[in-house]
Amino acid sequence: AQSVSQHNHHVILSEAASLELGCNYSYGGTVNLFWYVQYPGQHLQLLLKYFSGDPLVKGIKGFEAEFIKSKFSFNLRKPSVQWSDTAEYFCAVKTGGFKTIFGAGTRLFVKA
Amino acid sequence: DTGVSQNPRHKITKRGQNVTFRCDPISEHNRLYWYRQTLGQGPEFLTYFQNEAQLEKSRLLSDRFSAERPKGSFSTLEIQRTEQGDSAMYLCASSHRENTGELFFGEGSRLTVL
Repeated sequence: AQSVSQHNHHVILSEAASLELGCNYSYGGTVNLFWYVQYPGQHLQLLLKYFSGDPLVKGIKGFEAEFIKSKFSFNLRKPSVQWSDTAEYFCAVKTGGFKTIFGAGTRLFVKA
Repeated sequence: DTGVSQNPRHKITKRGQNVTFRCDPISEHNRLYWYRQTLGQGPEFLTYFQNEAQLEKSRLLSDRFSAERPKGSFSTLEIQRTEQGDSAMYLCASSHRENTGELFFGEGSRLTVL
């Protein structure tokens, strides 16, 4: 069965630190990849997405992610985090069907 | 674009009671999804509608769960004879048929079964 694995459940960083959140998926075919973010008290919203082409994709608020097909990975990065990046981050994969499969999420807390 | 709307936002019920949640998707979106999220987990797919047709259901959706989208607009998710294990956040999402997969989520309906 298809699955998505996020490496870290909780991450605590100080402002200006660099961020990398790991995501691996299990599916051998073509995938669409997503990172969603949920800020405290808000609904899930799209951070960035990969469908095809350049494996390095840029999203909102300075986030980027790199698709490495050989590693089945789609890690999220940000060079310098801010307090306002405190949120829960979900990696998600959509295969050929209708459903999108989500990882368990990573809670990021940024200390001011 | 008023976003995806869900109600009620919170529901507390006693075990064995029936509950119904409503989702109003973004108006031009013909695809509608229900997900369930429990503490420490990501959203788990429950079911999918394209217009009024329910095209996919997860094995998570037991016989006590039923979802409808009668006119291809709003959708309801009913849980009959609720159990404590049904306590979760029920999320609705919608997307446009031309969209390549981005989901637009509502704020969710939190169910607590006592």
